[in-house]
Amino acid sequence: EVQLVESGGGLVQPGRSLRLSCAASGFTFDDYAMHWVRQAPGKGLEWVSGISWNSGSIGYADSVKGRFTISRDNAKNSLYLQMNSLRAEDTALYYCAKANSGSYSNWFDPWGQGTLVTVSS
Amino acid sequence: DIQMTQSPSSLSASVGDRVTITCQASQDISNYLNWYQQKPGKAPKLLIYDASNLETGVPSRFSGSGSGTDFTFTISSLQPEDIATYYCQQYDNLSITFGQGTRLEIK
Repeated sequence: EVQLVESGGGLVQPGRSLRLSCAASGFTFDDYAMHWVRQAPGKGLEWVSGISWNSGSIGYADSVKGRFTISRDNAKNSLYLQMNSLRAEDTALYYCAKANSGSYSNWFDPWGQGTLVTVSS
Repeated sequence: DIQMTQSPSSLSASVGDRVTITCQASQDISNYLNWYQQKPGKAPKLLIYDASNLETGVPSRFSGSGSGTDFTFTISSLQPEDIATYYCQQYDNLSITFGQGTRLEIK
């Protein structure tokens, strides 16, 4: 069974940094691209970033470009999101999601349960 | 970036009704369009990929159609367990965006 478990969320002050992690199991991690998708409280889904199987192709939403960095460690079956210069509008539940192939440009299935990031002073 | 316009934003229907949700892309995305269901407090779940392909294990009352810029998601006979918010998502040319979502309620 595919499992994605996010961690690293919490309360952080504006301008500070946070690093999210996603531990993957139940599939051959380095065969698949991975994504981060977020959902602000009471709002819709927003794609944040995606990374191909070998980190050769990476993309970001305009809202996080230059502040967030996605990475992966295939030896540890783990996905990461380094979030710098955090803003109040980054407050959201952050989901890790598996792509359906090595290229990140496709669909998300399955999703983890999410980790909550709250940016507030 | 490609914008996705999803409508309606909310919908109330009776059990057994046929329900339709539409998604319009700001430019041609071929069939690179997926549909998700999100129940309250849960992670989204993939229902339809590439506009019309039913994900394994998803009931056949769910279907999708369309290509280019106009797409439709249909529930042929609404069931109580279908109460959720539904999202479209496009993935053309390394750009990924979601529609605003449609909240579906039972009348």
